[in-house]
Amino acid sequence: GENVEQHPSTLSVQEGDSAVIKCTYSDSASNYFPWYKQELGKRPQLIIDIRSNVGEKKDQRIAVTLNKTAKHFSLHITETQPEDSAVYFCAARARDSSYKLIFGSGTRLLVRP
Amino acid sequence: NAGVTQTPKFQVLKTGQSMTLQCAQDMNHNSMYWYRQDPGMGLRLIYYSASEGTTDKGEVPNGYNVSRLNKREFSLRLESAAPSQTSVYFCASAIEESSPLHFGNGTRLTVT
Repeated sequence: GENVEQHPSTLSVQEGDSAVIKCTYSDSASNYFPWYKQELGKRPQLIIDIRSNVGEKKDQRIAVTLNKTAKHFSLHITETQPEDSAVYFCAARARDSSYKLIFGSGTRLLVRP
Repeated sequence: NAGVTQTPKFQVLKTGQSMTLQCAQDMNHNSMYWYRQDPGMGLRLIYYSASEGTTDKGEVPNGYNVSRLNKREFSLRLESAAPSQTSVYFCASAIEESSPLHFGNGTRLTVT
């Protein structure tokens, strides 16, 4: 089955700097890769996603890149702000694992003012 | 439009007790899921239901059962709770296979 590894587990950056979180997946048939943000005590919420026919996607300060050959994808947050502090999860869904979304272990991002 | 609603929000059980976690969505989504979240381990899939009338095991199904009661509701049952089942449980739904998941607010379960 699919396995998703996420690094780093914690990340501390100065406000205004960029943050990068990386994930690798094992199943080459995976075709959908979302990123979720979870604030303390709240539900995970989708912030951006990418499909396997696209190499990069941007939404304001957030971007995701996908390297299918290497089976890894990354989340990039530019001009970080204190409200970006949260836990971020990557996930992967394989084409042949109907509806099953497998998550990474999460990255706790702290943006220092 | 409430989205995904989970009940209860908090629950404390003694080892061996049983209980059912309820989940309902009002978005007319086809698929529904149960995840558990433990510190440092992310979200792990317990069971899912691709459509009404079907259920399937996820990554960590042992000790749990599910029922897709109708298109709206997907319940998770613990027949004999164990301390290892102390966790935060999230229900989620999606409209179709490649659509994003919408999560409920979670149920924090403690088994003593």
